[in-house]
Amino acid sequence: DAKTTQPPSMDCAEGRAANLPCNHSTISGNEYVYWYRQIHSQGPQYIIHGLKNNETNEMASLIITEDRKSSTLILPHATLRDTAVYYCIVRVVSGGSNYKLTFGKGTLLTVNP
Amino acid sequence: NAGVTQTPKFRVLKTGQSMTLLCAQDMNHEYMYWYRQDPGMGLRLIHYSVGEGTTAKGEVPDGYNVSRLKKQNFLLGLESAAPSQTSVYFCASSYPGQWTGELFFGEGSRLTVL
Repeated sequence: DAKTTQPPSMDCAEGRAANLPCNHSTISGNEYVYWYRQIHSQGPQYIIHGLKNNETNEMASLIITEDRKSSTLILPHATLRDTAVYYCIVRVVSGGSNYKLTFGKGTLLTVNP
Repeated sequence: NAGVTQTPKFRVLKTGQSMTLLCAQDMNHEYMYWYRQDPGMGLRLIHYSVGEGTTAKGEVPDGYNVSRLKKQNFLLGLESAAPSQTSVYFCASSYPGQWTGELFFGEGSRLTVL
């Protein structure tokens, strides 16, 4: 699986958009980009994933660069409850028996009032 | 629909004691996982299972055993606990069939080994 690089921490003002970057310069053509978050002391929560097209759901938007070497998770209107560690993960989605996800250290996003 | 439930949520053990963590899911998921998380670290995969009766090793399997006798349950055992196994343990499960990469996690089990 491709390795990802994220900043260790970021700050964002409440009500503003939070843009969390992720670098995955060694990504392969069949690897997806996933984002999870972990609010303090809770289990991680799936946010969104994508292959090459931009994706949006009720939680966030995922913007993947054309060369797929980096991506940005966007929380359009951050709230205090969005304070969490955000994990960017790159993984092949395919058949077979290897369904593991590897979590790095992520980015601690702190939303300030 | 409770999702993924872990028991116990907290436990203190003495070195050398044994214990079992239970993970139960009510979503009919084929795949289940045990991760551990240490302070300042990401999650590390201990063992996982792709179906009833099957288990496989993850990144850090030493000192742990697992069993998947029933599809809805995934047990993590510590035969002889060590202080290095002090951690927060998370269980997760995911859909059968076409795997989307979406894992559903429990709330964690906090284990302290003295």
